[in-house]
Amino acid sequence: KQEVTQIPAALSVPEGENLVLNCSFTDSAIYNLQWFRQDPGKGLTSLLLIQSSQREQTSGRLNASLDKSSGRSTLYIAASQPGDSATYLCASSSFGNEKLTFGTGTRLTIIP
Amino acid sequence: DAGVTQSPTHLIKTRGQQVTLRCSPKSGHDTVSWYQQALGQGPQFIFQYYEEEERQRGNFPDRFSGHQFPNYSSELNVNALLLGDSALYLCASSSWGDRYSNQPQHFGDGTRLSIL
Repeated sequence: KQEVTQIPAALSVPEGENLVLNCSFTDSAIYNLQWFRQDPGKGLTSLLLIQSSQREQTSGRLNASLDKSSGRSTLYIAASQPGDSATYLCASSSFGNEKLTFGTGTRLTIIP
Repeated sequence: DAGVTQSPTHLIKTRGQQVTLRCSPKSGHDTVSWYQQALGQGPQFIFQYYEEEERQRGNFPDRFSGHQFPNYSSELNVNALLLGDSALYLCASSSWGDRYSNQPQHFGDGTRLSIL
């Protein structure tokens, strides 16, 4: 059974700093690994999806990496802004676009 | 282009009651998945519907049931509500034909269910 863990549960950093969010998973037989953003009381917004054959994906100030052998993924946010404050969730898919297994998320606060 | 829409936004029920939540998928999508997100936790997969059939189910009791209609919209029904059913219920849509093409699922804003 896949288990996904995100540490730390909460993180506060000053505006402008670069930061890294961590995600680990127990079963390396994943189909893809996704990062989502969730604002308070809202649904999930897909940020980046990394296919199992890929090592990283980039979108603007965001870069996500995937290391299946070690069961780890990281989300790098460059030049953080107050608008980046949200909860960030990672999720793995074991086969195709089937059920996603989520971590518990990292609540990020960017201090102006 | 309308995204995933869910109704109602908020709902308050008492223990033992029954509830129905609704979801309309993003235009062009034919597959609907439901997730339960307790406060401070990540979403947990409940089940997935395609062609009006339940295709996959997570570790949830039979009190949780669903339905998909010919227009691809879906309902989640929960019977005999417990305090522990209080959560944000999220609906996600996708295209069954794209399930192996690494297209992300699209999520609605959820229904906040509170059990008193």
